[in-house]
Amino acid sequence: RKEVEQDPGPFNVPEGATVAFNCTYSNSASQSFFWYRQDCRKEPKLLMSVYSSGNEDGRFTAQLNRASQYISLLIRDSKLSDSATYLCVVNSNFGNEKLTFGTGTRLTIIP
Amino acid sequence: DAMVIQNPRYQVTQFGKPVTLSCSQTLNHNVMYWYQQKSSQAPKLLFHYYDKDFNNEADTPDNFQSRRPNTSFCFLDIRSPGLGDAAMYLCATFQRGAGAQYFGPGTRLLVL
Repeated sequence: RKEVEQDPGPFNVPEGATVAFNCTYSNSASQSFFWYRQDCRKEPKLLMSVYSSGNEDGRFTAQLNRASQYISLLIRDSKLSDSATYLCVVNSNFGNEKLTFGTGTRLTIIP
Repeated sequence: DAMVIQNPRYQVTQFGKPVTLSCSQTLNHNVMYWYQQKSSQAPKLLFHYYDKDFNNEADTPDNFQSRRPNTSFCFLDIRSPGLGDAAMYLCATFQRGAGAQYFGPGTRLLVL
């Protein structure tokens, strides 16, 4: 089993729709969780950190379920500019500098 | 405003010809990483430095070496590039104990 698993997609979603991604992780000791966004041929960029209580940043909401070991990302009112690959990223121990990346979920927003 | 800078952005080399990629950071982070990313794959960690302490991944080929002469700079040396080494090479930084990793724009390597 992979340490971090994501549905690779692609997700093709009409503009304005709501889209949700899930990600599961295998290490129950994992401490930090992130969603990164990667545009084609560009570097990954931090979209948001994921906190136990869940967190929201504008149209984006991230949730963490430690019991089930999954992380979710919800995008509301999707825009064309949201088209990208979304990477689920997990850090196993606090202060540990190694991250484990999922293979990413590719999202295309259709006009 | 650039925080993690990579040079060059594109590098073309010949099969077997050594190449060096560079990374610099203005964040004063104590950890620096090199990743290799191929198309439609997740970034693959090659090695990282915590300050001057070098940490090599077990499956990183000996062909890949790294140097970190000071906090701000880190280099990736590919001693004898093969066709399979063509990829995007990403440098990232991290401050241990806080936050997330920040990536540079990457160097796209082409091996002819």
